[in-house]
Amino acid sequence: AQTVTQSQPEMSVQEAETVTLSCTYDTSENNYYLFWYKQPPSRQMILVIRQEAYKQQNATENRFSVNFQKAAKSFSLKISDSQLGDTAMYFCAFGGGSEKLVFGKGMKLTVNP
Amino acid sequence: DTGVSQNPRHKITKRGQNVTFRCDPISEHNRLYWYRQTLGQGPEFLTYFQNEAQLEKSRLLSDRFSAERPKGSFSTLEIQRTEQGDSAMYLCASSRYIRTGLSSGNTIYFGEGSWLTVV
Repeated sequence: AQTVTQSQPEMSVQEAETVTLSCTYDTSENNYYLFWYKQPPSRQMILVIRQEAYKQQNATENRFSVNFQKAAKSFSLKISDSQLGDTAMYFCAFGGGSEKLVFGKGMKLTVNP
Repeated sequence: DTGVSQNPRHKITKRGQNVTFRCDPISEHNRLYWYRQTLGQGPEFLTYFQNEAQLEKSRLLSDRFSAERPKGSFSTLEIQRTEQGDSAMYLCASSRYIRTGLSSGNTIYFGEGSWLTVV
C-alpha cells in the first residue's frame, strides 16, 4: 500500500520570501504521479502542480516548483515570492495504477505580511 | 465551466438519522469521486464512478453508506443511521478520463465539500 508523509504540520513565511514544503512517500510501483494540492480556508482543493515519475525534469508552474528525488522517494514543493493568497493547507498526494489518490495529512502554511 | 457543485454545504443531524449529499460534476466529466476528510487529515478515497457505473469502493464505505450516479451525471451519497464518527467533510471530485497512460494522471477537480456534523 502507498503511504504519503508530510512531517511538518505547520509553517509560516514572510511575504515575498521562499518556502519549501516537504513530502515523502512509499510505493512499490514504478510508474505514478505525485501532486501538490492547495486547500484555502473554506474553499475547494485545487491542484498546484504535478510530477510524472518517469520524467526526470522537475515540474514548475510559475512561482511553484518541485524537487523530485525518485530514489529517495521525496517530493518537495518550493514556493517563491510568497503571497498572502498562498495561505492555505497544502496536501501532497500520490496517484498510481489505482484510481484513487492517496493524500498526506497536510501542512498549514501561513504567509505573513 | 461552473466547477464541481456540492450541496448542502453544511448539515447538522442527530445520531441515527439519514443524510444525503448531492454532487454535480463538471459537465462532460465522465468520472466522479467521493472522498472523506476529517479534521487534521488529508482526504481519504471512498468510491468512484465512471459514467453510471460504480467501479471501486473503499473498505471505509460501510454498509450504511451508499452512493449512486443514476444517469451518469450528478451523484448522491447517502449515509444511513448516522454515527458521531461520520462527522467529516465529504468531498466530491470529477475528471474527464482519457485513456492514455495512468488514469491517475488525469486532473481531478474538487468541489467545496459538504460538512457533516452528527450530534
